Order: sequence, then C-alpha cells, then structure tokens
Amino acid sequence: DIQMTQSPPNLSASVGDRVTITCRASQNINNWLSWYQQKPGKAPKLLIYKSSTLESGVPSRFGGSGSGTEFTLTINNLQPDDFATYYCQQHSRSSTFGQGTKVEVK
Amino acid sequence: EVLLLESGGALVQPGGSLKLSCVASGFTFTNYAMNWVRQAPGRGLEWVSATTSGGNPYYADSVKGRFTISRDNSKNMVYLQMDSLRVEDTALYYCAKDSTQGLVPPDAFDFWGQGTMVVVSS
Repeated sequence: DIQMTQSPPNLSASVGDRVTITCRASQNINNWLSWYQQKPGKAPKLLIYKSSTLESGVPSRFGGSGSGTEFTLTINNLQPDDFATYYCQQHSRSSTFGQGTKVEVK
Repeated sequence: EVLLLESGGALVQPGGSLKLSCVASGFTFTNYAMNWVRQAPGRGLEWVSATTSGGNPYYADSVKGRFTISRDNSKNMVYLQMDSLRVEDTALYYCAKDSTQGLVPPDAFDFWGQGTMVVVSS
C-alpha cells in the first residue's frame, strides 16, 4: 500500500499569511495527487487535482505543486474562510489520504 | 446541480450487516465511477470502495471480503452492503463521485454527499 505522510498536523496562521502544507508518498505516484478542504460537520471539498490543477470555482490563492513523491499545497494571503482541515489524496494505486493538516487561527 | 444523498446508516451490533444507499442526480450517472469514503469520529478520511461505470468493484484491504459495492444505473443508485461489521467500521460514510470519466477508479472526488452514520457497538 502507498502511505501518505502529511505535515504539519497542525498549523497556526494569521489572515494574510502564506501557508504551506507538504505531502510525501511512500512511492512514486507521478502527479496523481489531489487536495481537499474540510470544515467541521461538512463533506470534503476538492481544491486541486493532478497535483497542480485548480478545481473550478476554487480561488487562485490556492496552489499545488510536486510530482513523484513530494507535493505541496500553498495558500497565499490566507482568508478567514480558509481555516479548516486539509487532506492530500493519492490515487495512483488504489487511494490513500494523508492524516490531515488543521489550519487554525494564530 | 450535482447532488448525492446517502441513507441507510444505523446502530448495529458487531458481526451484523447493513446496506447503505446513495442516490445521485445532476450528472450523467452512467459515465462515472462512484465511491464510498468513510471518516471515523474525529479522524481522517479513508477510501473504502469504488465501482466503475460498468459495475466493476474495487475495495480497500480493510473491507475486502466483508463489503460489497454495487450500482443500479437505471435508478442512479450506488450501494454498499456491509457484512461482518466490526467496531472499527464505525464512521460517517460518504458517497463520492469520480471527477474524470473513463479512468480506473478511484480518481479525485469532485462531489460528495453529506454522509450517513454507521455505529457498530454492542
């Protein structure tokens, strides 16, 4: 099975900050990597797929990069609506999610 | 508007069975693979199972041999039959749509339902 290691598990930030979340795969997954945002009591929302493609309707302050085993989600100019938990997901072989990163108010 | 609505969650004893349903609308159901993803209380996301548009099933190792996914394209429905349930199967079960037609699932999930809760406890 492919393991996804996401870091950090928690992150404190302020509005306007630039935030970076990292996801590492235990083996090469090419660019089969997606990012989701989840708020309490809500279903996850797809932000980015194929490592760097922004889902329709997602603000351009969200960006993704990486290939192979190392991936990054960057949020520029953090907004109040962005405080949430973020998950990476590999779907190269079966599917595995990272453990999540909770972005909290500093 | 794409909508996914799950149902069938309940409290069940260990070793018991339960069948979840998901009705889809707002897209051409027959063109897309469909998935079940679960989330234990306070925990992360776990992909459970997928069915291709033609009904071929895929399973996570944790449920293989106990869960059965199926779909009825005439009704825009996807099901998850869960047998030999364990305490560790307790979770909110989401129905989720693959984002891309024609790929072997699972893919990225572009639409999710609100989930149905399954509690396995004696």
